[in-house]
Amino acid sequence: DTGVSQDPRHKITKRGQNVTFRCDPISEHNRLYWYRQTLGQGPEFLTYFQNEAQLEKSRLLSDRFSAERPKGSFSTLEIQRTEQGDSAMYLCASGRERGGHEQFFGPGTRLTVL
Amino acid sequence: AQTVTQSQPEMSVQEAETVTLSCTYDTSESDYYLFWYKQPPSRQMILVIRQEAYKQQNATENRFSVNFQKAAKSFSLKISDSQLGDAAMYFCAYRSDGRGAFNNNDMRFGAGTRLTVKP
Repeated sequence: DTGVSQDPRHKITKRGQNVTFRCDPISEHNRLYWYRQTLGQGPEFLTYFQNEAQLEKSRLLSDRFSAERPKGSFSTLEIQRTEQGDSAMYLCASGRERGGHEQFFGPGTRLTVL
Repeated sequence: AQTVTQSQPEMSVQEAETVTLSCTYDTSESDYYLFWYKQPPSRQMILVIRQEAYKQQNATENRFSVNFQKAAKSFSLKISDSQLGDAAMYFCAYRSDGRGAFNNNDMRFGAGTRLTVKP
């Protein structure tokens, strides 16, 4: 068990470009969450998967954002036509459907949109 | 909607002393979970302690303990014998049990408290 991993750790892009982030959860966890964290704030929920099904989406997740978890293991978060306001840390977390209900976080992907 | 408020943007404590971080939340649910997470500078968020709302006994984890006041919707974190490695951002978080009317499974976080430990 190596914990939740995210790739890349840092991404710098120009406004209007598309970016994709990857999250690998803890292997036995069937739930996977995406959050966004801006400087000086707590994480804000974006979306959540149980196995391969995307069960919840926040209003923060505009139509430029899409997330997938095709085989119920790793997940990708894509942002199309990036805007400067998308600059933030994107955190992934995983957890079990049953159990302690805590979520285990990855190191995050820091996105900078120029 | 559930909200979490941390009214102390910054706190400072002397090494080996005790500090208490405050957290209040708003909910109409009766069953839920509360958490304190620690986020060291440039490092990932880790769980410090959790509390189930149905449990009256306050959770403890070594030097970390909570004061859970359900009626007051208060959930403070006490750090005893503070160490330099405790310096971090601390986030209070709320999570529904997922079975109630809101049926949500995400965590709601406060804005955080930055803790500084002075040697």
